[in-house]
Amino acid sequence: ETGVTQTPRHLVMGMTNKKSLKCEQHLGHNAMYWYKQSAKKPLELMFVYNFKEQTENNSVPSRFSPECPNSSHLFLHLHTLQPEDSALYLCASSQGLLAGKESTDTQYFGPGTRLTVL
Amino acid sequence: SQKIEQNSEALNIQEGKTATLTCNYTNYSPAYLQWYRQDPGRGPVFLLLIRENEKEKRKERLKVTFDTTLKQSLFHITASQPADSATYLCALDPSQGGGGYQKVTFGIGTKLQVIP
Repeated sequence: ETGVTQTPRHLVMGMTNKKSLKCEQHLGHNAMYWYKQSAKKPLELMFVYNFKEQTENNSVPSRFSPECPNSSHLFLHLHTLQPEDSALYLCASSQGLLAGKESTDTQYFGPGTRLTVL
Repeated sequence: SQKIEQNSEALNIQEGKTATLTCNYTNYSPAYLQWYRQDPGRGPVFLLLIRENEKEKRKERLKVTFDTTLKQSLFHITASQPADSATYLCALDPSQGGGGYQKVTFGIGTKLQVIP
């Protein structure tokens, strides 16, 4: 399997449930990202892991909890979500940049998980 | 505050014509700008990147221009086809390199519909 995969593709959960989204990249990349995409809004960066270390947390509520056990896998743990959290959650990976090294770093996205919170 | 503007309404064009999409930005000094394509229910797919010192970039039927004075990028699809129908996102990375990761900001996208 190639590229970036995400499971599940669709998820419906109640506000009291606990669930996890999974992302796996087969590109040998070192940086992984979680984005939220809501209708009529631009992509919102949630978390960034670079070389397995979390380097960005964009003021995301604590009901979203990321985990990056290795450079190929990324999880987003969900608990006590709200209906307004319903959205398309996208995972992406990129080569990753070393500090001080000028480069571009194209992102490769997974197909996303369509989350509905009831 | 930093802002990226794309015409979020749908752009309808006839098959065979050239589609031109616009990305305007304010309060950015991007090192480079990227264009992505997104189909419904799917993740964005990278198309083209243009650096701040480049005026134009081409790839097959795609052409991107970057005017840092106007703070604008234009994305052209020549000889458009119905299969080109999708939402096109522009993305800016204000970094000048380093920092360890890419903190890209995306526009809302423009939905292109190519009519047969």
